Amino acid sequence: GDSVTQMEGPVTLSEEAFLTINCTYTATGYPSLFWYVQYPGEGLQLLLKATKADDKGSNKGFEATYRKETTSFHLEKGSVQVSDSAVYFCALSARGGSARQLTFGSGTQLTVLP
Amino acid sequence: ETGVTQSPTHLIKTRGQQVTLRCSSQSGHNTVSWYQQALGQGPQFIFQYYREEENGRGNFPPRFSGLQFPNYSSELNVNALELDDSALYLCASSLRGENIQYFGAGTRLSVL
Repeated sequence: GDSVTQMEGPVTLSEEAFLTINCTYTATGYPSLFWYVQYPGEGLQLLLKATKADDKGSNKGFEATYRKETTSFHLEKGSVQVSDSAVYFCALSARGGSARQLTFGSGTQLTVLP
Repeated sequence: ETGVTQSPTHLIKTRGQQVTLRCSSQSGHNTVSWYQQALGQGPQFIFQYYREEENGRGNFPPRFSGLQFPNYSSELNVNALELDDSALYLCASSLRGENIQYFGAGTRLSVL
């Protein structure tokens, strides 16, 4: 079945450091890929998405590129802020079928220190 | 535009009891999905509803059931609660055929 593997955390960085959170996936066909973010006590917010190979999703300084050859969708940000502290989830939505359910990774806790 | 809202925010039940969680979809969205998020884990798909019928189900037993109403709001019912049912339950709404889902803040269920 479909699965998502995320870099294990927690990750602690200083403000303005470079961030990479690795994500690889297993799926039949060509899924859509997502990064969601969860702030303490809140639900999930869509951060960015990509729907086909070589697409780059971007939002709020975060970027991720859909790499079909390596089945990866790594999240990057050039300069993190304290306000980026949250849990980040990589997810996929398989094409085909009537239910476009999301399959999530286990999440990566990011803490940014001032 | 009103986002996805869930109620209640927190709930405490004892083993063997039954619980009902509620979700109001984002305006215009006709599909509702429910997820269970155990502490420290990613959300797991429970089921999805479209046009008041179950439209897909994850690996959850039949004691997890749901409803969708004509206004697209939804309920998640869990019978015979077990300790392992303690989790954050997330509702997400979307448009049929679209691959972006919008999440509510969740209901935190504790089973004692």
